[in-house]
Amino acid sequence: QVQLQESGPGLVKPSETLSLTCTVSGGSISSDYWNWIRQPPGKGLEWIGYLYHSGSTDYNPSLEGRVTISGDTSKNQFSLRLSSVTAADTAVYYCARALPNWNPPDYWGQGILVTVSS
Amino acid sequence: EIVLTQSPGTLSLSPGERATLSCRASQSVSTSYCNCLAWYQQKPGQAPRLLIYGASSRATGIPDRFSGSGSGTDFTLTVSRLEPEDFAVYYCQQYATPKGYTFGQGTNLEIK
Repeated sequence: QVQLQESGPGLVKPSETLSLTCTVSGGSISSDYWNWIRQPPGKGLEWIGYLYHSGSTDYNPSLEGRVTISGDTSKNQFSLRLSSVTAADTAVYYCARALPNWNPPDYWGQGILVTVSS
Repeated sequence: EIVLTQSPGTLSLSPGERATLSCRASQSVSTSYCNCLAWYQQKPGQAPRLLIYGASSRATGIPDRFSGSGSGTDFTLTVSRLEPEDFAVYYCQQYATPKGYTFGQGTNLEIK
């Protein structure tokens, strides 16, 4: 069974860079699609982007330019960096796995709340 | 970007009743690869749980009272007989376009 766990700071200052890591067990980031998805408090879900084939990425066009997703196969982890954050980036951030070949995310981490505030 | 519109926003029902939730896409999410539409259930403080993928296939461990149907732009999630644990928020999600998974805004299924 695939398990994912998000980690990182719970508080980030405006204009700074949000950095989160997802540690994967029971699966390998060298295969499958590894997603970041977020949910502002009391609101719906927004896909941020994914990592696949160990180094290729696709991002939500609304965030492209501020977002970078990368992977570390030696640690079986993948990471999210979101630059120039504002209060609108306050959300629960989830990492999630999707199988290749047109499948939705099936395994999700528990989520981590990141608040953007000075 | 494909926009998904869910209806109703809130559905108030009693245990034992049948629930029908709708998801409409701004353009077709059915490709030569799949009917690329999934349904998730989310309870407070928890991550979403995948219920249905490919519009009508149940995910592992999902009870058969949950069923999905539809193709193209119109999709339905049906819960045949509501159990107390089924009251939650439900989201549809399309994965037809590589550069843009999108989610609907959610339907809150609440106890009447």
